[in-house]
Amino acid sequence: AQSVSQHNHHVILSEAASLELGCNYSYGGTVNLFWYVQYPGQHLQLLLKYFSGDPLVKGIKGFEAEFIKSKFSFNLRKPSVQWSDTAEYFCAVNRQGNAGNMLTFGGGTRLMVKP
Amino acid sequence: ETGVTQSPTHLIKTRGQQVTLRCSSQSGHNTVSWYQQALGQGPQFIFQYYREEENGRGNFPPRFSGLQFPNYSSELNVNALELDDSALYLCASSPGGTAGQETQYFGPGTRLLVL
Repeated sequence: AQSVSQHNHHVILSEAASLELGCNYSYGGTVNLFWYVQYPGQHLQLLLKYFSGDPLVKGIKGFEAEFIKSKFSFNLRKPSVQWSDTAEYFCAVNRQGNAGNMLTFGGGTRLMVKP
Repeated sequence: ETGVTQSPTHLIKTRGQQVTLRCSSQSGHNTVSWYQQALGQGPQFIFQYYREEENGRGNFPPRFSGLQFPNYSSELNVNALELDDSALYLCASSPGGTAGQETQYFGPGTRLLVL
């Protein structure tokens, strides 16, 4: 069964610091990759996604992620965080061609940005 | 906001009872997925419905069942509630199309507490 690991459970940063959140998955086939964010009191929102093509994808609010197939990784980055980025971040994977379109989520990383 | 709505927002039940949660998908979407998010964890896939048929199921017992209606809204039913069923239940809709290459749009969730 595929699994997704997010190694950092809690991250605390000061505003303007750079962010990198790790995500590794276990499935060896062709995958689709997603990062979702959950702001306090709000629903899960899509930050960015990768299906194919350029492995460096850009999302909303200045976030980007790089797919490194050889490392089974899809790390999320932002050069300079803001207080409003305080949220929980989830990496998710599904298998291309998966008829059930099941998303497998990591355990999440809770980010706190200090003003 | 995604246009995916869920009801009720909160629910308290006792062990052994049955519960029905409801979801209205975003306009134009014919696929609905249900996830369970326990406290401090990432969402776990329960099942998905595509055009009123179950289209994939995660590792949940048969007492978790669902329906999708002709207007693509959906219900999640849980029988014989257990304490461990306490969680946030998320509904996500997607437009239906290339298997695996779809973005799922999440609703705000229903928080279920089983006493």
